[in-house]
Formats: sequence, C-alpha cells, structure tokens
Amino acid sequence: DQQVKQNSPSLSVQEGRISILNCDYTNSMFDYFLWYKKYPAEGPTFLISISSIKDKNEDGRFTVFLNKSAKHLSLHIVPSQPGDSAVYFCAAPSADDKIIFGKGTRLHILP
Amino acid sequence: KAGVTQTPRYLIKTRGQQVTLSCSPISGHRSVSWYQQTPGQGLQFLFEYFSETQRNKGNFPGRFSGRQFSNSRSEMNVSTLELGDSALYLCASSLTSGQSYEQYFGPGTRLTVT
Repeated sequence: DQQVKQNSPSLSVQEGRISILNCDYTNSMFDYFLWYKKYPAEGPTFLISISSIKDKNEDGRFTVFLNKSAKHLSLHIVPSQPGDSAVYFCAAPSADDKIIFGKGTRLHILP
Repeated sequence: KAGVTQTPRYLIKTRGQQVTLSCSPISGHRSVSWYQQTPGQGLQFLFEYFSETQRNKGNFPGRFSGRQFSNSRSEMNVSTLELGDSALYLCASSLTSGQSYEQYFGPGTRLTVT
C-alpha cells in the first residue's frame, strides 16, 4: 500500500516555464513532508520541506504547497532551468520515523 | 566536510551468493539508514542504525541484515542473493535519529545479480 504517491512518472517542461510536480498521501497522520532531487549516479539530495502547520514554503525558485484537506502537496519550480532535469522524490516520515518515499517523477527541462 | 561514501560503487554477483556493502557517514553523524531503489518501487526503507543499534526496520526478508560500528560506519549484508535483489542500494546519514529528517545520501552501490 503506497502511502506516498507520485502518479506522474515523468514530466517535460520548457526551459523558463513553471514545473509543477505533484504528490498525494494517504496517511492523515503525516505532519512533515520533504522533497529530494536525484541526478543519475548520485544519491538524492534534500531540496525543501514543509511542516503541516504551514501551507506554503518557499526557497528561491522552489516552492512547496500543502493542501491538507486534499492530502496533496506540490513542488513548483520557477523558472525551470536545464539543471533542474532530475528525478524528484516526495517523502514523509511515518509515525515510527521511517521515511516513506514516493516512486519519483522524472523531470525533463526542454531547451 | 566529506560526504557520505559508499563502497563498492558497482557490484556483480550471481544468485545464491552473499554480498556486503559499506557506508561511511558524514563525520559527526550517528544515524545511518539504508534504502533500496528499484525502477518499479522507488526508494524503499531497509533499516536504520543509531549508536550501533538497529532502531528501525522496513519490510524486507531476513536475508537483508546490517550493523553499525562504534565509529558510525555501517555495513549491510544480503545473503542468498536473488535476481530481484538487483537494485541501487543507498545509504543516508543524519546527525541523530528520529526527528532529524534531513538525511544526506551517498551515491549508492549498484548491485546486479545474474
């Protein structure tokens, strides 16, 4: 049973436009969410997080939005750059402190 | 500060063999977690070690085991390898266990079982 779901395996976006990556979760007890970015042949790197007491967190070009009633979060990248091409993972710590990851979305930034 | 290192980076084994993977966390980090990444399943939590004790375990068979040493370095072992064990094995370290969710990942060990 996938508690963190990223339903889009891949996404292509024109350079300079907005990239929106989506994530849904099923466990209403999740109260903290993270986004990781992964390049080929490298481990994931932490990108941005959000606590359930907020509905938005911004860091430079990256903004994460949380809609608790819909159990949905999204990562916005504006403007998208070639270096943003990577796999993005949404994750949440469970009540027993295991980090539950989604399956990832591969983002392609087109020139 | 040096990052998380994993050795070896690539490994090819045959079914039935066993394998040991190594992870050196960032200096000062005491928690080490292991994940398996496969194309179909994404990242799946294997286990977490903190102060030489297994603190948490994912839903993997007993063929998967690990340990942590006093210097926080960790090893994971997979016995009686199966074809389905082919994956990227990632190690992540963090300062402490539990609430420190910002983990730092190593580059992974790519295991191929033939």
